[in-house]
Amino acid sequence: QQQVKQSPQSLIVQKGGISIINCAYENTAFDYFPWYQQFPGKGPALLIAIRPDVSEKKEGRFTISFNKSAKQFSLHIMDSQPGDSATYFCAASSNSGNTPLVFGKGTRLSVIA
Amino acid sequence: EPEVTQTPSHQVTQMGQEVILRCVPISNHLYFYWYRQILGQKVEFLVSFYNNEISEKSEIFDDQFSVERPDGSNFTLKIRSTKLEDSAMYFCASSEAPVSGYTFGSGTRLTVV
Repeated sequence: QQQVKQSPQSLIVQKGGISIINCAYENTAFDYFPWYQQFPGKGPALLIAIRPDVSEKKEGRFTISFNKSAKQFSLHIMDSQPGDSATYFCAASSNSGNTPLVFGKGTRLSVIA
Repeated sequence: EPEVTQTPSHQVTQMGQEVILRCVPISNHLYFYWYRQILGQKVEFLVSFYNNEISEKSEIFDDQFSVERPDGSNFTLKIRSTKLEDSAMYFCASSEAPVSGYTFGSGTRLTVV
């Protein structure tokens, strides 16, 4: 119930392409869904977050799509760049973010020129 | 930009020894967290701390673990008697309010030999 399932485990995308990472959850109490980006040797950094009252949120090249009925959400990175190469984690929490974040297992993205 | 600072960056300790991992959260943040990441695996919640007490802890956070905010700036994680399986990257995080997202430190790599 507390799990967040993330796929794929790794992803290779050509420069300029679209990177898509998917997450699914079971706990219907989850109401806050952030994505974190982690570079080697660094801690995760908040990238973008969404709440279930909207189906999509866009910030620059990063978009979260949210499907409440399917209990799925995804991160789209448009015009992927080599500098986007990192590990991406989806996460979820409930009570408007007041319970601790539960993280997915991460997706290692490599953007190749 | 304000940062969460963690020391040391790498700690090697013998099995059975006590270790203290230190964190300086962002100064106006009120919520503090410890997470750990075993190499190549997901980020796992250990404990959250608010108003000078533990607000939540996971199954991982057993009697061998303790947290403390000894003064107005530091937040520490103590492992009383380390085991080989405690080897991981330990991340401290803080937030002004949970809904505003967490800021993670760069982590302490703990190696138990």
